[in-house]
Amino acid sequence: GAVVSQHPSWVICKSGTSVKIECRSLDFQATTMFWYRQFPKQSLMLMATSNEGSKATYEQGVEKDKFLINHASLTLSTLTVTSAHPEDSSFYICSARRGGTEAFFGQGTRLTVV
Amino acid sequence: DQQVKQNSPSLSVQEGRISILNCDYTNSMFDYFLWYKKYPAEGPTFLISISSIKDKNEDGRFTVFLNKSAKHLSLHIVPSQPGDSAVYFCAASNTGNQFYFGTGTSLTVIP
Repeated sequence: GAVVSQHPSWVICKSGTSVKIECRSLDFQATTMFWYRQFPKQSLMLMATSNEGSKATYEQGVEKDKFLINHASLTLSTLTVTSAHPEDSSFYICSARRGGTEAFFGQGTRLTVV
Repeated sequence: DQQVKQNSPSLSVQEGRISILNCDYTNSMFDYFLWYKKYPAEGPTFLISISSIKDKNEDGRFTVFLNKSAKHLSLHIVPSQPGDSAVYFCAASNTGNQFYFGTGTSLTVIP
């Protein structure tokens, strides 16, 4: 199946700093990528939909100035958590859609803000 | 508002028996459904999908059943194996749009 690579898989940062997470589709072009967040024992919650070459569409309640999404190419989308705080600690997962409706997921990034 | 619901947070099954995981949805516009398996601290892994034009899709030990009138789908795993122990999420989408996930069911297969 298609491969989506997410990097880093695990990051610790100090409160107030920014962290960038990359999501790459390795063997296909993804016109649309999705960013999800998962809190412990909860479902994956969609944060935003990222379309190549245009601004991301954020879900209600997600601060676009805090979670900056860039989809600069058909194989790369980035999520930057700006001025991170401990409450931003979570598991972030991207997915990329290769035509149709099936999406392929990255392995996720565990963010811990201390 | 949770559009996709998995009402059983956990399930334990003996090895070799059938595991049945259930999922309900509220949006009648959903026309594509998926099941994902997730291990701790890893991204979800796609298992099996079904479109609304079908009521059953089978792939090896995994079978997904869709009951559109009841807005219900289920995943059957038979025979269950210890390696199947993970959290299973169902997800639904309307074509071309984002996926909505259930809260997951943690399956434990007892050897």
